[in-house]
Amino acid sequence: AQSVTQLGSHVSVSEGALVLLRCNYSSSVPPYLFWYVQYPNQGLQLLLKYTSAATLVKGINGFEAEFKKSETSFHLTKPSAHMSDAAEYFCAVINNQGGKLIFGQGTELSVKP
Amino acid sequence: EPEVTQTPSHQVTQMGQEVILRCVPISNHLYFYWYRQILGQKVEFLVSFYNNEISEKSEIFDDQFSVERPDGSNFTLKIRSTKLEDSAMYFCASSVSRDTEAFFGQGTRLTVV
Repeated sequence: AQSVTQLGSHVSVSEGALVLLRCNYSSSVPPYLFWYVQYPNQGLQLLLKYTSAATLVKGINGFEAEFKKSETSFHLTKPSAHMSDAAEYFCAVINNQGGKLIFGQGTELSVKP
Repeated sequence: EPEVTQTPSHQVTQMGQEVILRCVPISNHLYFYWYRQILGQKVEFLVSFYNNEISEKSEIFDDQFSVERPDGSNFTLKIRSTKLEDSAMYFCASSVSRDTEAFFGQGTRLTVV
């Protein structure tokens, strides 16, 4: 069965600092991986996706993620945090049998001025 | 930009009542999903729907739940007899194919009292 684990339910960074949100996956087949962002009282917005092309994936709002098969990781990074990045971030993998998304627990990102 | 729309944004209902949550997926998408997020918890898959039938459902999706695509645009989730534990944010999503990214609506916050 496929799964994702997000390390750290809450991450706090200062404005301008590096953002690193961790995601590890478990999959017996090459996974399709996603990061979604949820701003307060809003739906889920796709940040970026990995679908077996380039291992370094660039997304919206300056975020990127690197697929590392050897580490079974798909960590999300942004060089310089902005106050508007404060949100909940979810890593997800597509179930290879049915198309459903399997989500991690989520990481709440706080950005301090 | 095309988007998934959900109505209502908030629904308060008494325990035991029936509720219908409505969604209009993106028009050229073929796969439709319902997810839910209980406050403070991760996003959970409920059901996927393709070619006018359920393609997969979770253990959460018991006999109290049903989905329907009554016409060419709407996709509905019905809860026949709501329980307190059904209180959650319900997200509709759609995708072009089984292994592409899903686009989410803004969600319906259901409160059962």
